[in-house]
Amino acid sequence: DSGVTQTPKHLITATGQRVTLRCSPRSGDLSVYWYQQSLDQGLQFLIQYYNGEERAKGNILERFSAQQFPDLHSELNLSSLELGDSALYFCASSVASYNEQFFGPGTRLTVL
Amino acid sequence: SQQGEEDPQALSIQEGENATMNCSYKTSINNLQWYRQNSGRGLVHLILIRSNEREKHSGRLRVTLDTSKKSSSLLITASRAADTASYFCATDALLGANSKLTFGKGITLSVRP
Repeated sequence: DSGVTQTPKHLITATGQRVTLRCSPRSGDLSVYWYQQSLDQGLQFLIQYYNGEERAKGNILERFSAQQFPDLHSELNLSSLELGDSALYFCASSVASYNEQFFGPGTRLTVL
Repeated sequence: SQQGEEDPQALSIQEGENATMNCSYKTSINNLQWYRQNSGRGLVHLILIRSNEREKHSGRLRVTLDTSKKSSSLLITASRAADTASYFCATDALLGANSKLTFGKGITLSVRP
């Protein structure tokens, strides 16, 4: 158990819908990261937050957005969902940049 | 884009043997991290090696880093059936105050009992 929690574990929804994935980092970690894992793209970095501020952006679609709240939990919002958005979404946390990133168990999103 | 490229893509060994996995990357890094993933599950952090380190050990794991060749290797000694998993190397490039891991496609390790 990495100490990073993610909810929900599974999510099944339809095209065009919007979903919210939630992540709670390890106690004491200020940085939160979101990654997407799919069969064709592999593991891709989406976005990093540090103590509530966006720090780095990767291959994140405009339909996706994220935020980190004052209690340091983070949410990833995915809207106008397409079939290709079906993937495993991971949250990771670290005490700061350039440290070990510990991953949560992931949310498996299926878009039908 | 995938910066870390692992080699081989798949490895099958007998229990008790050593497993060596390699990773090459392209840009300057702050650190390189190795992860294990059991089928469809979460990523387990194995080890982090910084750009100024050459070798690191953790239990049965030994990681080396050669920044001049932009490569790293992960050695698992005395492998067990429970080591069967996918292994990923991830590079943490120099991005100022920011940090993002760039993963390779992974190596599938099968350890036969």
